[in-house]
Amino acid sequence: QLQLQESGPGLVKPSETLSLTCTVSGGSISSSSYYWGWIRQPPGKGLEWIGSIYYSGSTYYNPSLKSRVTISVDTSKNQFSLKLSSVTAADTAVYYCARIEGSLPARWGQGTLVTVSS
Amino acid sequence: SYELTQPPSVSVSPGQTASITCSGDKLGDKYACWYQQKPGQSPVLVIYQDSKRPSGIPERFSGSNSGNTATLTISGTQAMDEADYYCQAWDSSSLIFGTGTKVTVL
Repeated sequence: QLQLQESGPGLVKPSETLSLTCTVSGGSISSSSYYWGWIRQPPGKGLEWIGSIYYSGSTYYNPSLKSRVTISVDTSKNQFSLKLSSVTAADTAVYYCARIEGSLPARWGQGTLVTVSS
Repeated sequence: SYELTQPPSVSVSPGQTASITCSGDKLGDKYACWYQQKPGQSPVLVIYQDSKRPSGIPERFSGSNSGNTATLTISGTQAMDEADYYCQAWDSSSLIFGTGTKVTVL
């Protein structure tokens, strides 16, 4: 059964870089059928797509975040990662990783709360 | 940039039908899908490709998409259906979420 698990610091200082990893189990990240993505949700607010990556390294990013986002994949560890630079309080959110099937996130991790605060 | 607009809230009595709309320019030309999110939980896909239900999703959930509006319909709404619902579509290499609708079962 496919499982996705986010991991990383729960607290990041303003202006620093947020780094998260999603570990995939029960399935191969190298499958040609899927992209893998990051989505976030500020407390009490809606969902925002951050970006997606294919196992080959091909990426799509949200234009509004593109200048600060890097998503990478490590097929040997069955993981993909998110880096978001120059964070502010507005980046405080629950961050989800997901498997993208076609053009939709069909399977989600449980999410991890990242707070940006000094 | 492309936007999907939903009503902030919808109220429905148990056993009645709830309809949630999602509006976007020529949305009917794209595939729409819908997610259900309960407090403290990850979103769950309830409708994809406008009207298809994933395995395990009850038949009371149905969807349609035409013109500028996609609609999620919950027939015979149950208390367990109380949640936030988000529509989603793909446009210009970007994954777009709707603004979200809180469904309250009174």
